[in-house]
Amino acid sequence: AQSVTQLGSHVSVSEGALVLLRCNYSSSVPPYLFWYVQYPNQGLQLLLKYTSAATLVKGINGFEAEFKKSETSFHLTKPSAHMSDAAEYFCAVLGSSNTGKLIFGQGTTLQVKP
Amino acid sequence: KAGVTQTPRYLIKTRGQQVTLSCSPISGHRSVSWYQQTPGQGLQFLFEYFSETQRNKGNFPGRFSGRQFSNSRSEMNVSTLELGDSALYLCASRPPPARTEGEQYFGPGTRLTVT
Repeated sequence: AQSVTQLGSHVSVSEGALVLLRCNYSSSVPPYLFWYVQYPNQGLQLLLKYTSAATLVKGINGFEAEFKKSETSFHLTKPSAHMSDAAEYFCAVLGSSNTGKLIFGQGTTLQVKP
Repeated sequence: KAGVTQTPRYLIKTRGQQVTLSCSPISGHRSVSWYQQTPGQGLQFLFEYFSETQRNKGNFPGRFSGRQFSNSRSEMNVSTLELGDSALYLCASRPPPARTEGEQYFGPGTRLTVT
């Protein structure tokens, strides 16, 4: 069964510093992986997705993620944090092909300090 | 294009009551999924509907049910509410699968509080 684990429930960085949010997956088949962001009192917004086309995936707002099969990881990075990046971030794996079932990690809250 | 809309945004109910939440997907999206978000359990998949048929179901008791109408709008119902049902209920719609495998677009959610 597919699953994802996000390492670190809270991450704090200074404005302008590198953002690194960690996600490891478990999947018996090539996975479809996603990062979503949730701002307070809002739904989830898709940041980026991996669907085997390329291992380095670029998303919105300057975020990117690299799929590493050998490490079963899909970490999210951004070179320079902005105050507006403060939010909760979720890594997710598609439960099975051609379905809407996403399996989410527990989430990581990103704090950006001025 | 308008996004996914959910009504109501906030709801307060008493234990034992039932509640119905509504979701209107993005125009052209025929798949609608529902998720429950709580601080303790995180985001959990409830069920998915496509063309008025339930395609997938998560691990929730039978008190949780849903349906989809011919215009793709969906409702979920929770009967005999329990305190533990207090959560943010998120609806997501999905475009046709070609080139968009797994992408979902979420509504703002309905915050349900059970007292």
